[in-house]
Amino acid sequence: GENVEQHPSTLSVQEGDSAVIKCTYSDSASNYFPWYKQELGKRPQLIIDIRSNVGEKKDQRIAVTLNKTAKHFSLHITETQPEDSAVYFCAASKGGSYIPTFGRGTSLIVHP
Amino acid sequence: KAGVTQTPRYLIKTRGQQVTLSCSPISGHRSVSWYQQTPGQGLQFLFEYFSETQRNKGNFPGRFSGRQFSNSRSEMNVSTLELGDSALYLCASSLAGTSGRGGDTQYFGPGTRLTVL
Repeated sequence: GENVEQHPSTLSVQEGDSAVIKCTYSDSASNYFPWYKQELGKRPQLIIDIRSNVGEKKDQRIAVTLNKTAKHFSLHITETQPEDSAVYFCAASKGGSYIPTFGRGTSLIVHP
Repeated sequence: KAGVTQTPRYLIKTRGQQVTLSCSPISGHRSVSWYQQTPGQGLQFLFEYFSETQRNKGNFPGRFSGRQFSNSRSEMNVSTLELGDSALYLCASSLAGTSGRGGDTQYFGPGTRLTVL
């Protein structure tokens, strides 16, 4: 089955810095890669996703890049703010499986 | 559309008891998945139901079971509770491939926090 590795497990940055979280996946058939943000005590919420037919997608301060050859994808957050502090989960899935495989999460701490 | 809802939001049980959790998916979503979340363990997949049938199953003991009704609402049951079952139980719904694109977005409910004493 699919295996998703996520690094780092904890990331501490100063407000205004950039943050990068990386995930690798094992199944070359995976074609959908969502990212979720989970604030303390709240549900995971989709923040951005990318499909395998594109290499990069941006939404304001958030971007995701995908390298299908190397089987890894990354979340980039620019100009971090304290409200970006949360646990971020990456996931990978493919058609026919429907169930995404999640990474173990990255705890992002943005210091004011 | 209303989001995914879960009831109850909090539960306190004692070892040996059983518990039933409920999840109502987004209208039109036919797939409901259940996850267990504990500190440091991420999201561990329990099982997925689609059209009232269990379609996928994670690596949990048989004490964990579920079902789905014709309106796509789902319940999860844990029998003979153990201390280690204390966790946040999340359900997520999706269209489950009906879009034809493969790999559909899962939308999570707020979770049920279960404490076993």
